[in-house]
Amino acid sequence: AQSVTQLGSHVSVSEGALVLLRCNYSSSVPPYLFWYVQYPNQGLQLLLKYTSAATLVKGINGFEAEFKKSETSFHLTKPSAHMSDAAEYFCAVSDRSSYKLIFGSGTRLLVRP
Amino acid sequence: SQTIHQWPATLVQPVGSPLSLECTVEGTSNPNLYWYRQAAGRGLQLLFYSVGIGQISSEVPQNLSASRPQDRQFILSSKKLLLSDSGFYLCAGRDRASYEQYFGPGTRLTVT
Repeated sequence: AQSVTQLGSHVSVSEGALVLLRCNYSSSVPPYLFWYVQYPNQGLQLLLKYTSAATLVKGINGFEAEFKKSETSFHLTKPSAHMSDAAEYFCAVSDRSSYKLIFGSGTRLLVRP
Repeated sequence: SQTIHQWPATLVQPVGSPLSLECTVEGTSNPNLYWYRQAAGRGLQLLFYSVGIGQISSEVPQNLSASRPQDRQFILSSKKLLLSDSGFYLCAGRDRASYEQYFGPGTRLTVT
């Protein structure tokens, strides 16, 4: 069965600092991987996706993630945090047949001025 | 790209009352559709998904049901709400030509 683990329910960074949100997955087959962002009381917005093309994936708002098969990881990074990045971030995995998403428990990013 | 609409945005219902949440999709045909629930402080749980009209798969046993009467309409229902049904309900759709799901704005349900 597939699963996703997000390390750290809360991450706090200063404005301008590096953002690193960790995601590890478990899958017996090559997965599709996604990062979504959720602002308070809103739906989820897709940040980026990995579908077995380039291992370094660039998304919206300056975010990127690197697929590392040997580490079963798909960590999300951004070189310089903005106040507007404060939100909850979800990593998700899906299989290649049903495309059902399995979500991690989420990481709330706090950006300090 | 597709757009997911949900209504109502918020809903307060007493225990034992019925429920009907509606989701509609525009910008694509024959999408896969999904209902998720996000309980307070928790992640997202897939409740139902549908690959076509009248085709519903349930992921977890519960007090809720889903229906897909039209290609781009997905409805979440309950005959009698429980307190534990409170949460944030999200509808999502996937165009069959792509890998990702797109989400609606959600419905905040509070059962009192």
